[in-house]
Amino acid sequence: AQSVTQPDIHITVSEGASLELRCNYSYGATPYLFWYVQSPGQGLQLLLKYFSGDTLVQGIKGFEAEFKRSQSSFNLRKPSVHWSDAAEYFCAVGENYGGSQGNLIFGKGTKLSVKP
Amino acid sequence: DTGVSQDPRHKITKRGQNVTFRCDPISEHNRLYWYRQTLGQGPEFLTYFQNEAQLEKSRLLSDRFSAERPKGSFSTLEIQRTEQGDSAMYLCASSPRRDQPQHFGDGTRLSIL
Repeated sequence: AQSVTQPDIHITVSEGASLELRCNYSYGATPYLFWYVQSPGQGLQLLLKYFSGDTLVQGIKGFEAEFKRSQSSFNLRKPSVHWSDAAEYFCAVGENYGGSQGNLIFGKGTKLSVKP
Repeated sequence: DTGVSQDPRHKITKRGQNVTFRCDPISEHNRLYWYRQTLGQGPEFLTYFQNEAQLEKSRLLSDRFSAERPKGSFSTLEIQRTEQGDSAMYLCASSPRRDQPQHFGDGTRLSIL
């Protein structure tokens, strides 16, 4: 069965420090991959997506992610974190086989706290 | 593009009551999804519409849950005889194609007293 694992429940980084959030997936083929961010009480905002092609994808707010097929990973990175980045981050896999409807399978999320 | 709109944002009800939520997708997005998110978890898929046709339902969608999209535009999700375990954030998302990202609304938070 398809699944997404985000090993870190909570991460705290200092403002200005670099960030890497981990995501591993289990899927039979190359999936569609996404990172979403959620602020308290809000819906999910798309940060970036991978469908095919270049394995390093750029997103909004200075985020990037790298798809590594050999490691079944899609880690999210940012070189310098801002206090406004504090939120919960979700990695998701989208089904892309012929008969699928594109449902998203989410990880449990990583909560990011930023120290001043 | 006004985004996905969900109404109400918050709903508090007593156990056993029926509730209905509404989702207005981005115009011309023919694909509409409902998800449920409980505290400390990621969203879980509930059901999917392509235009007015409900094409997929998760096993999470018990008989007390029903969803409609009568004209292929807005959608409603109804929960009958609510239970404590129904307390969650209900999220709606839409996309124009399977290989395009889903855009989420701000959700409806349901609290069961």
